[in-house]
Parts: sequence; C-alpha cells; structure tokens
Amino acid sequence: ELKVEQNPLFLSMQEGKNYTIYCNYSTTSDRLYWYRQDPGKSLESLFVLLSNGAVKQEGRLMASLDTKARLSTLHITAAVHDLSATYFCAVGTSGTYKYIFGTGTRLKVLA
Amino acid sequence: GAVVSQHPSWVICKSGTSVKIECRSLDFQATTMFWYRQFPKQSLMLMATSNEGSKATYEQGVEKDKFLINHASLTLSTLTVTSAHPEDSSFYICSAEPGTGAGYTFGSGTRLTVV
Repeated sequence: ELKVEQNPLFLSMQEGKNYTIYCNYSTTSDRLYWYRQDPGKSLESLFVLLSNGAVKQEGRLMASLDTKARLSTLHITAAVHDLSATYFCAVGTSGTYKYIFGTGTRLKVLA
Repeated sequence: GAVVSQHPSWVICKSGTSVKIECRSLDFQATTMFWYRQFPKQSLMLMATSNEGSKATYEQGVEKDKFLINHASLTLSTLTVTSAHPEDSSFYICSAEPGTGAGYTFGSGTRLTVV
C-alpha cells in the first residue's frame, strides 16, 4: 500500500528566507504532483513531475523528484507572505489513475 | 484551461436527509473522476474512483451504500450522501485529469454541514 509522508507538517518562516519541504513515498510511482491549498479553498496545481531527476520551477518555488530515493522536494526561495498556504504532494499509484496525498505542510510566512 | 465545476459550494442539511453533490468537467471529457474528503486541517482522503458507465470503485472503509456515486456521462459525476449524520460533515472535493499534462484539476469543493 502506497504511503506518502511530508515534513515538516508545520512551517513558520520569516520573509526572505529559504526552506525545503520534503515528500517521501513508500512504493514505486510514475508521477508526483505538488498542490497548494488556501484556507477554505480547493487545490491549485503547482507542479507535475514525471521522471527521475525532474526539476521544475515557477517563481519562488522549485520542485524536484528522485524516484530512486522515493523523494520529492519543494524548495522555497526568499519567501514572501503570499506563499502562506498548505502544500500537498500527491503520488500516483503505478498502473492506475489513483493518487495518494501526503499529510500536507502548513506554511506561514511572517512579515 | 481545464475547469471542473462543483456544486453546491456549501450545504447545510438535517440529520437523516440526503445530499447530492455534482462535479462537472466543463471543457473536457472525463471517463474517470475522483472524490475526496477532507476534515479540517487534515489531508485529502480518497473516497472513491468514479467510472463513466460503470460502478464506482470505493476505497477500503468507505461505505458504498452511504456514499452513492453515479457517473452517467463523460462530463458529470455525482456523489450522494445518504441519511447524512453530523459525522459526515466535511469538505468534499472532486477531481479529474484533463489530459493536458498539467496534472489533475480539482473542483472548488463542497462544505457539508449536517445538523
């Protein structure tokens, strides 16, 4: 059974600082997604990672995937308040359309 | 871009009544849709996979008779919470994959409160 863990669960950081969120998963997967969720809202797609070594960047966020280590990272560069949200990784189950969400990381960027 | 429309956004109902939630893919066809449930400050839990023209596939521990799913067309899936109770109060979200390579698209979610 595929299990997905994120850490940290909570992250409070100062504006301008850098930090990394980690997503570990337990079995082989062929795709990994990162999403953002604002309070009371649905999910917004950030990145889709489909192969080992994939790296994608959008603004202050950069995501990478290491399929051998079963690890994805979401790196935040020079955080700003607008990045405050909950971030989820979701890992696809090989051979199916299903994907399992990580525990989520609640990020709060302090001014 | 691909849009998944979900209605209603919120609903309050009395215990024992049933509530239907609709999920529509507006500009693409979706043979498969997913229904998730999210409790406050928790992650999303996959409830079931909705398959167009066939029975839904439920995750372990999800009561299929309580959470009825119908996927009657390529653009519409519905989730009916039958005989709702306060413990069914939650945020329900649907999603579908539009085939654009940008990942799954989520509906806006439905906040259900059972009183």
